[in-house]
Amino acid sequence: AQSVTQLDSHVSVSEGTPVLLRCNYSSSYSPSLFWYVQHPNKGLQLLLKYTSAATLVKGINGFEAEFKKSETSFHLTKPSAHMSDAAEYFCVVSWNYQLIWGAGTKLIIKP
Amino acid sequence: DTGVSQDPRHKITKRGQNVTFRCDPISEHNRLYWYRQTLGQGPEFLTYFQNEAQLEKSRLLSDRFSAERPKGSFSTLEIQRTEQGDSAMYLCASSPRAGLKAGELFFGEGSRLTVL
Repeated sequence: AQSVTQLDSHVSVSEGTPVLLRCNYSSSYSPSLFWYVQHPNKGLQLLLKYTSAATLVKGINGFEAEFKKSETSFHLTKPSAHMSDAAEYFCVVSWNYQLIWGAGTKLIIKP
Repeated sequence: DTGVSQDPRHKITKRGQNVTFRCDPISEHNRLYWYRQTLGQGPEFLTYFQNEAQLEKSRLLSDRFSAERPKGSFSTLEIQRTEQGDSAMYLCASSPRAGLKAGELFFGEGSRLTVL
């Protein structure tokens, strides 16, 4: 069975400091993994995806994520947070034709 | 590419009434999905169409819910005899045929339902 656990419901960082949003997955197969972002009152947008190519995946807006099979993790990082990064972030694993979603991490950026 | 559009964006209704939401996917996408999202949760899968065929329906979906995609273009989601527990954001997404394998769903901004 596939599942996704986002380890933090809220993460608060100061503008200009690094961001780390943690995600662990469980998958019986080689997974496809994704991060989606949802800004307030906006639709969900694909941030980046891992599909068994390079383990370090670069996405939009300076975000990247590293697939670590030994740790079953797919953490999202950004070197320097910007106020516009404040949003909800979802880690997702693909199974069959469905996407299995984590509960989300709300990223709060302090000025 | 005008994106996925959903209508209405907000709907307030009284318990027991029927509501219908419409989704217009990106025109060249043949796959269409409906999800439901409640506050503090990730989206829950409801149903999936490939062209006009409804290929999967979540066990979470009661028989008060029905979805159609009659011509393989726009889709409607109807909820009959609404209950307060139906209050949520209803999200529509579309993808090209090869898109799902890569997980590239394109979402609309959602239709928020409030049942009083």
